[in-house]
Amino acid sequence: QVQLVQSGAEVKKPGASVKVSCKASGYTFTSYGISWVRQAPGQGLEWMGWISAYNGNTNYAQKLQGRVTMTTDTSTSTAYMELRSLRSDDTAVYYCARDGVAAASKPNWFDPWGQGTLVTVSS
Amino acid sequence: EIVLTQSPGTLSLSPGERATLSCRASQSVSSSYLAWYQQKPGQAPRLLIYGASSRATGIPDRFSGSGSGTDFTLTISRLEPEDFAVYYCQQYGSSLFFGQGTRLEIK
Repeated sequence: QVQLVQSGAEVKKPGASVKVSCKASGYTFTSYGISWVRQAPGQGLEWMGWISAYNGNTNYAQKLQGRVTMTTDTSTSTAYMELRSLRSDDTAVYYCARDGVAAASKPNWFDPWGQGTLVTVSS
Repeated sequence: EIVLTQSPGTLSLSPGERATLSCRASQSVSSSYLAWYQQKPGQAPRLLIYGASSRATGIPDRFSGSGSGTDFTLTISRLEPEDFAVYYCQQYGSSLFFGQGTRLEIK
């Protein structure tokens, strides 16, 4: 079955960087894009950006431009999200999610989602 | 930027009742590029509906989506105990944004 398994929880100090991984299985990795979505404690969902696992094209949310980088390693079917210059309001659960449509040139609906990675930013 | 406004913020109903959740967009959503997700506490969201009205694989037929343009609706025909959760709409036609969510709670 299609599955996305994320790396474990992280605790970071303000100003540091974090890199979260998302290992895919059960499908041809390069056929689908991956988005990253975060959820601050008790809050709603915020889309962070998207990467095509086929050609590495990216599309980042304007709010995070310059602080976020999304990459993939097709040899291990793993997607990565790095967020730099962390602030306390970056504390959230970070999810990866696969596109619902194969070979898309932009993000669409998401199915399935990873289990989430809690990133805590605290001094 | 297309802003999605979900209403009501909280909906209190009993099992067996019908639930109607609304998602209104600030601009027309192209090609009905709208999805709905269910999220339970401590879990990742789960896709229910895409393309405004297409049910995702494995989703019971008591869930249905409708609408176009700026007004979309998620209907749960007869609530089961496991349906009480938070529901989010998402548009993916122009960039990508989520609504703020509707909490469906047991009355």
